[in-house]
Amino acid sequence: SQQGEEDPQALSIQEGENATMNCSYKTSINNLQWYRQNSGRGLVHLILIRSNEREKHSGRLRVTLDTSKKSSSLLITASRAADTASYFCARRNQGGKLIFGQGTELSVKP
Amino acid sequence: NAGVTQTPKFQVLKTGQSMTLQCAQDMNHEYMSWYRQDPGMGLRLIHYSVGAGITDQGEVPNGYNVSRSTTEDFPLRLLSAAPSQTSVYFCASSRGDRGNTEAFFGQGTRLTVV
Repeated sequence: SQQGEEDPQALSIQEGENATMNCSYKTSINNLQWYRQNSGRGLVHLILIRSNEREKHSGRLRVTLDTSKKSSSLLITASRAADTASYFCARRNQGGKLIFGQGTELSVKP
Repeated sequence: NAGVTQTPKFQVLKTGQSMTLQCAQDMNHEYMSWYRQDPGMGLRLIHYSVGAGITDQGEVPNGYNVSRSTTEDFPLRLLSAAPSQTSVYFCASSRGDRGNTEAFFGQGTRLTVV
């Protein structure tokens, strides 16, 4: 499979805590992207990090990329109940295909 | 701006029937893709297109056909539906620019094959 690996598969935390999700991949990338999916809905883009970048921030989101280890992480700080969703990493490979990982289900309890 | 529009939202088919899932985008995006989402499997790429007249296979293309006669539309055809094609199908589009762009997703089509 061309899919990457994400861990954990499921994560349950309390409101106010930080949530960290990890993504690994096998081949070279142009960029790595993170998406969010609320139950029963389409995916929404959160953040894109290029292969020559190491860290990127967007509001409460922080993404890191380590191309030597072929891994990325998404940190959500000060989580809220509304952050409950599935989170997916995705990478663009040569030819433009966008390949998704299997996702992390995040549950934030009030 | 409608973004990416998928129709229908829900569909039930009998084994052996054929149908077309419609996908349209109004953002003049070059890249369009079809994915299926199954529990525990994430999203798997079925077919994709980098422009009108150009299509290519993804990870799980068997049983599906696509065409891209216009920039806006990218229909997915199920030739002879099978229960294994029960899934949620998502269409996505993005600008070209060598892939350094985000993908926009439709709301999905939930297909059940009985």
